[in-house]
Amino acid sequence: SQELEQSPQSLIVQEGKNLTINCTSSKTLYGLYWYKQKYGEGLIFLMMLQKGGEEKSHEKITAKLDEKKQQSSLHITASQPSHAGIYLCGADSASGTYKYIFGTGTRLKVLA
Amino acid sequence: GAGVSQSPRYKVAKRGQDVALRCDPISGHVSLFWYQQALGQGPEFLTYFQNEAQLDKSGLPSDRFFAERPEGSVSTLKIQRTQQEDSAVYLCASSLMARTMESPLHFGNGTRLTVT
Repeated sequence: SQELEQSPQSLIVQEGKNLTINCTSSKTLYGLYWYKQKYGEGLIFLMMLQKGGEEKSHEKITAKLDEKKQQSSLHITASQPSHAGIYLCGADSASGTYKYIFGTGTRLKVLA
Repeated sequence: GAGVSQSPRYKVAKRGQDVALRCDPISGHVSLFWYQQALGQGPEFLTYFQNEAQLDKSGLPSDRFFAERPEGSVSTLKIQRTQQEDSAVYLCASSLMARTMESPLHFGNGTRLTVT
């Protein structure tokens, strides 16, 4: 079955620094979502990528899906304490199914 | 409210007790998912409903877990004879469309179940 692996598992950065989180799929992705989760809360949708090579930005967060559609990266520019949380990638486990899976998560801490 | 609502927020059960977790999805959302999230892990898929039909229950860990969505709106996840390994946060999510990659999932804040 398809798996989504994220790296790094955790990250501590100083405020103002840039950072990148990666999500790698064991199979071709038919689309990928990025979510953010704060402790004790549900997941908040950030952005969706569907086409190989697609790149989207929202405020200081940029996400890209590579051409082969097996890896996505999330980049945060000039990080702020408000960016702290757990970042999760999510995708259909296979085209035509209803099982929607998530990565292992990356825990981000931003030091003020 | 306009979001997905889950209740109770916290539930403590003694081993062997039955529990029922409720999810109120966003009105009009066709798809409804249940996930189990252990501490420090990503959410694990449990089951999927399209309106009232349960189209995928492959993630339910045992026959002690049962989910329903009888009128295509509110859903209940029931766990019978709870075990300590059932302790986790149970997340519910709904989506406007039937196919997952056509619209994002909207999550509730979850129910934290602790089995003692």
